[in-house]
Amino acid sequence: QVQLQESGPGLLKPSETLSLTCNVSGGSISNLYWSWIRQPPGKGLEWIGYIFYSGSTKYNPSLKSRVTMSVHTPRNQVSLRLSSVTAADTAVYYCARGVAFSGDGMDVWGQGTTVIVS
Amino acid sequence: QTVVTQEPSLTVSPGGTVTLTCASSTGAVTSGDFPNWFQQKPGQAPTPLIYSTTSKHSWTPARFSGSLLGGKAALTLSGVQPEDEADYFCLLSSGGIQVFGGGTKLTVL
Repeated sequence: QVQLQESGPGLLKPSETLSLTCNVSGGSISNLYWSWIRQPPGKGLEWIGYIFYSGSTKYNPSLKSRVTMSVHTPRNQVSLRLSSVTAADTAVYYCARGVAFSGDGMDVWGQGTTVIVS
Repeated sequence: QTVVTQEPSLTVSPGGTVTLTCASSTGAVTSGDFPNWFQQKPGQAPTPLIYSTTSKHSWTPARFSGSLLGGKAALTLSGVQPEDEADYFCLLSSGGIQVFGGGTKLTVL
């Protein structure tokens, strides 16, 4: 059973770079899409972007200039970097397996990690 | 950029039936938008319910079903249970760009 676990610093200052890691256990990251999603306090879900295991990416146009995603196959990890953070980037950040158009959709989610920018 | 619209809130009685919808600002939602539906309860990560318009995950209760209805994606709950009270989000794919709807808060009362 595949499980995802996000990790990273919970508190950042404005202008810093957010770095998060999604550890994938119970399965391989190969041949799959991996998504990052965030949810500001009390608000809805916002798609940040996805990365295919080969390294190809697609990002939310509104965040594209600040987002970088990468995969580290030997470690079975997917990473997210978001530069120049502001208070508006305060949110719970989730990683998920898949995308809307992949075989089983976005079918496995991590528990999320809270990031506060202050 | 595509905007995906859902009903902000709906109320249903236990045992009743309710349909949540998901509309796209670019026009009619089709199977090519690969509608997905998620349920989220307070303090929890979203739980996937439906993918590719109508397909259910192995854990999705039978009372949940997905469809296309009047140019929108739809999620129907038949025989609503108290534990179905939650937020529901749809997700559409448009040219690879994934867009979530704003969510529907479903109250079971």
